[in-house]
Amino acid sequence: GQNIDQPTEMTATEGAIVQINCTYQTSGFNGLFWYQQHAGEAPTFLSYNVLDGLEEKGRFSSFLSRSKGYSYLLLKELQMKDSASYLCAAPPANQAGTALIFGKGTTLSVSS
Amino acid sequence: DAGVIQSPRHEVTEMGQEVTLRCKPISGHDYLFWYRQTMMRGLELLIYFNNNVPIDDSGMPEDRFSAKMPNASFSTLKIQPSEPRDSAVYFCASSLEGRDTGELFFGEGSRLTVL
Repeated sequence: GQNIDQPTEMTATEGAIVQINCTYQTSGFNGLFWYQQHAGEAPTFLSYNVLDGLEEKGRFSSFLSRSKGYSYLLLKELQMKDSASYLCAAPPANQAGTALIFGKGTTLSVSS
Repeated sequence: DAGVIQSPRHEVTEMGQEVTLRCKPISGHDYLFWYRQTMMRGLELLIYFNNNVPIDDSGMPEDRFSAKMPNASFSTLKIQPSEPRDSAVYFCASSLEGRDTGELFFGEGSRLTVL
């Protein structure tokens, strides 16, 4: 299987920076994904890390440390529309293929 | 391009009834996934197919659940008989092997309520 842990909830204010952490089981690692899910909607892809380091994409960045089994999603210049659940996901440990196991998600609330 | 299409979007049924959820993946995608989402358990992988063949159904909760993929453009998830604890949002997703990121594309989900 795969054990993915992330905080349940976070709050922040508009314009701020927030970091959402994720830890996962490292055996047979095949990449780490972040998805965004607004209330009542489907998850949508945000980022993918397979190598150590920071991947930047506009206001969102994702970091990976394979040796530590750790990732974070960094959201800058927060906007109200960033209020959503952020899901960390990885393939099952020691399995190839494209199936993903998801964490329970971190609900981010952005206030003005 | 059309995304993943699921039907029905909402279903309310009574305990013991049969429920069939339907999914049309993105054309050309060779993987199809069924997930279930609840507040308590989050997004759980139920089963997935590669080229219409079931690869891993270890997430299917019990024999009341079954899934089929008769062709590359259609899949069903059936619950018979349904129980109140099956109430959840069921998502179908598809992906294409060899794509750089291997990302999953989700449908809008089918919200099931079993009374």
